[in-house]
Amino acid sequence: EDQVTQSPEALRLQEGESSSLNCSYTVSGLRGLFWYRQDPGKGPEFLFTLYSAGEEKEKERLKATLTKKESFLHITAPKPEDSATYLCAVQAASGTYKYIFGTGTRLKVLA
Amino acid sequence: ETGVTQSPTHLIKTRGQQVTLRCSSQSGHNTVSWYQQALGQGPQFIFQYYREEENGRGNFPPRFSGLQFPNYSSELNVNALELDDSALYLCASSHSNEGDTQYFGPGTRLTVL
Repeated sequence: EDQVTQSPEALRLQEGESSSLNCSYTVSGLRGLFWYRQDPGKGPEFLFTLYSAGEEKEKERLKATLTKKESFLHITAPKPEDSATYLCAVQAASGTYKYIFGTGTRLKVLA
Repeated sequence: ETGVTQSPTHLIKTRGQQVTLRCSSQSGHNTVSWYQQALGQGPQFIFQYYREEENGRGNFPPRFSGLQFPNYSSELNVNALELDDSALYLCASSHSNEGDTQYFGPGTRLTVL
């Protein structure tokens, strides 16, 4: 069964304290892996799309990487405004075209 | 470029009633997907429409139904509402149904009493 597991469930960082979020996935062929940021009560905001192992994408303080079994979202020198829930999703290469989401990592960055 | 919009923002219904949620896709996008997000959970796929046809469905009962119109906007209908249907309903649009990034709207918060 296709599955996405994110860890940790919650993370508290001091401003400037770098860390990584993990997204492990099991899928019958990967069409794409997607990272989103979600603020409370709002829709997910797109961050990155990764298609193949070894691929990396960067945006400001965020960097996403992909292997054949997992993806990492690295946050360098985070600021309080980076506080949000970070969601990972995968789309399988066969079957329906649905996104399968993890339950997210709730990040709190303290000033 | 206009993003994905959804209406209404909030909705309160009672058990057994029916509800219709609406979504306007991003300009140039022909694929719309609907998700249900319970509090503290990741979004769960309900179904997807591609060029006005249902293109895939998640583990939701038939009382969840949808439509996509020629302008690619979409509706989600839920009949015989149950308390567990209370959630944030998200609409997402994409250029196509194969591996393209989905862009989400702000969601509709449905409360069933």
